[in-house]
Amino acid sequence: GQNIDQPTEMTATEGAIVQINCTYQTSGFNGLFWYQQHAGEAPTFLSYNVLDGLEEKGRFSSFLSRSKGYSYLLLKELQMKDSASYLCAVWNSNYQLIWGAGTKLIIKP
Amino acid sequence: ETGVTQTPRHLVMGMTNKKSLKCEQHLGHNAMYWYKQSAKKPLELMFVYNFKEQTENNSVPSRFSPECPNSSHLFLHLHTLQPEDSALYLCASSQDSGQTYEQYFGPGTRLTVT
Repeated sequence: GQNIDQPTEMTATEGAIVQINCTYQTSGFNGLFWYQQHAGEAPTFLSYNVLDGLEEKGRFSSFLSRSKGYSYLLLKELQMKDSASYLCAVWNSNYQLIWGAGTKLIIKP
Repeated sequence: ETGVTQTPRHLVMGMTNKKSLKCEQHLGHNAMYWYKQSAKKPLELMFVYNFKEQTENNSVPSRFSPECPNSSHLFLHLHTLQPEDSALYLCASSQDSGQTYEQYFGPGTRLTVT
């Protein structure tokens, strides 16, 4: 089967750094997405990785290792507004998007 | 605002009712999707339309019936639903479902079946 694993919930402190991990087992790979979803709102696109390495976009960075089936989302200088769920999703070789259950990130002052 | 709108935002219906969910995208995309989101579960893809043609039906029960009259509009017709169908129903669009474009989501319809 195909599956994506990410922690259910994480807690971090305002101003700190947090890393949200995602491991995947899919039939082929055509890229990995990270989305952010605030409670009661639509998921919004954060990043896309298709090659190994780190992609940096402001306070957010996303890393991919295709050989390990592993990605992480790194959030720096955490702000209260970063409290949200973070969804990892992988395009498989059939161009199906396989989703993880999401990681709920709680930011404390 | 993501450019994808959904109505209604909230819906309560009995098991014998018939209702429809509406989605509209203003992004000029060619692909539209229906997802079901239940608490602590991955997004479940229900239907995919690409250039108005249905390209995927993920073994969805027939009590859910999609309709895509054009590339900008997508409907989900509901009838004789079950309580376990209560969930957030999300619509999304992308440039093309056969390519790795990001998907843009609407705010969802929170459905409660009583």
